Amino acid sequence: TQLLEQSPQFLSIQEGENLTVYCNSSSVFSSLQWYRQEPGEGPVLLVTVVTGGEVKKLKRLTFQFGDARKDSSLHITAAQPGDTGLYLCAGPSSGGSYIPTFGRGTSLIVHP
Amino acid sequence: GAVVSQHPSWVICKSGTSVKIECRSLDFQATTMFWYRQFPKQSLMLMATSNEGSKATYEQGVEKDKFLINHASLTLSTLTVTSAHPEDSSFYICSARGPPGAFFGQGTRLTVV
Repeated sequence: TQLLEQSPQFLSIQEGENLTVYCNSSSVFSSLQWYRQEPGEGPVLLVTVVTGGEVKKLKRLTFQFGDARKDSSLHITAAQPGDTGLYLCAGPSSGGSYIPTFGRGTSLIVHP
Repeated sequence: GAVVSQHPSWVICKSGTSVKIECRSLDFQATTMFWYRQFPKQSLMLMATSNEGSKATYEQGVEKDKFLINHASLTLSTLTVTSAHPEDSSFYICSARGPPGAFFGQGTRLTVV
């Protein structure tokens, strides 16, 4: 089983601060996805990274896939209260069939 | 992006009754759908993989006779919680695979009283 270790588990910051969330594994992933989930809602796909070393930007969010495709990071610049939510990284399990394996998530709270 | 619709969004049922949750892919065909259970402030726990036209594949520890999954068409999978008990109360989420990743339903909050 491929495991994704996500850190930190909880993060409480003030509006305007920067933060980084990490997603690490000892296994190589063909791709990794990042999701954001708000309470009472299903996760929403933010981005998929595929190429080692790839960097993708989504407004104030910057996603990076490690060169070895074993880790990924999400950096948020100037966080806003609307960024509050559970951030999940996920990747396909090994064996060829796409069964998403999720990290345990990072619960982010941005205080006004 | 692709849309997955889950219904109902919330349901309250009496202990011992059964509850059916529907998951539909609205703008794409999904031969495979996934059912998850999520506890507060925790990640998603995969319960089973639903395969169109064949039996679902259940994760270890998930009772297949309690959580009945039917994937009768390329756009619809259903999860039926049979003889529900209070410990089955949880947030259930379905997802379907579509490029470039998985897309999730809105989730169903089940409360068994």
